[in-house]
Amino acid sequence: DVKVTQSSRYLVKRTGEKVFLECVQDMDHENMFWYRQDPGLGLRLIYFSYDVKMKEKGDIPEGYSVSREKKERFSLILESASTNQTSMYLCASSFKQSLTTSAEAFFGQGTRLTVV
Amino acid sequence: GENVEQHPSTLSVQEGDSAVIKCTYSDSASNYFPWYKQELGKGPQLIIDIRSNVGEKKDQRIAVTLNKTAKHFSLHITETQPEDSAVYFCAAKGGSYIPTFGRGTSLIVHP
Repeated sequence: DVKVTQSSRYLVKRTGEKVFLECVQDMDHENMFWYRQDPGLGLRLIYFSYDVKMKEKGDIPEGYSVSREKKERFSLILESASTNQTSMYLCASSFKQSLTTSAEAFFGQGTRLTVV
Repeated sequence: GENVEQHPSTLSVQEGDSAVIKCTYSDSASNYFPWYKQELGKGPQLIIDIRSNVGEKKDQRIAVTLNKTAKHFSLHITETQPEDSAVYFCAAKGGSYIPTFGRGTSLIVHP
């Protein structure tokens, strides 16, 4: 059973703090993603990684960075948290698409971050 | 890049009715179209998907249809039940690593 685990369900941080959101997957997936979910805006891609130490910007990377030192772990970093980063953050992983592997993305349960 | 439009944003039905959610995409190279269901407090979970070489796929009460010429695909849920209440996302994916998601449809099934 595929598992994508996010380290926290709920997080409250102060403006200006450095925030780390951790995500671990156990399916040996090459691809990992960080999304932000806001009402009416759907899932917006922040960053993704297709291999260890590789990262690519998504649609809304400003104010965020990521780290992928190991294949199973993908961290999202808010360098200096601001109130407009209050949101639900979702991590996902998938195989690199090929004829023999599934293209399905598996999501974590989400981290509800509140910045005060 | 790919652009996916999803309608409606909210759908309210009576238990037992059918529900249809529609999506359009822009990139003719897209070849994989998954649908995800997100229940309250959980992450999205795949419920059905379709590849571009197939026009329709069915799994019990849910079905997905794809019209490649018109670049649209739809999710059909028959005999809806209260436990079908959730947010549904469509997505389109081509040769890149990244699926592009629609904005979601909040389905409410009234008992």
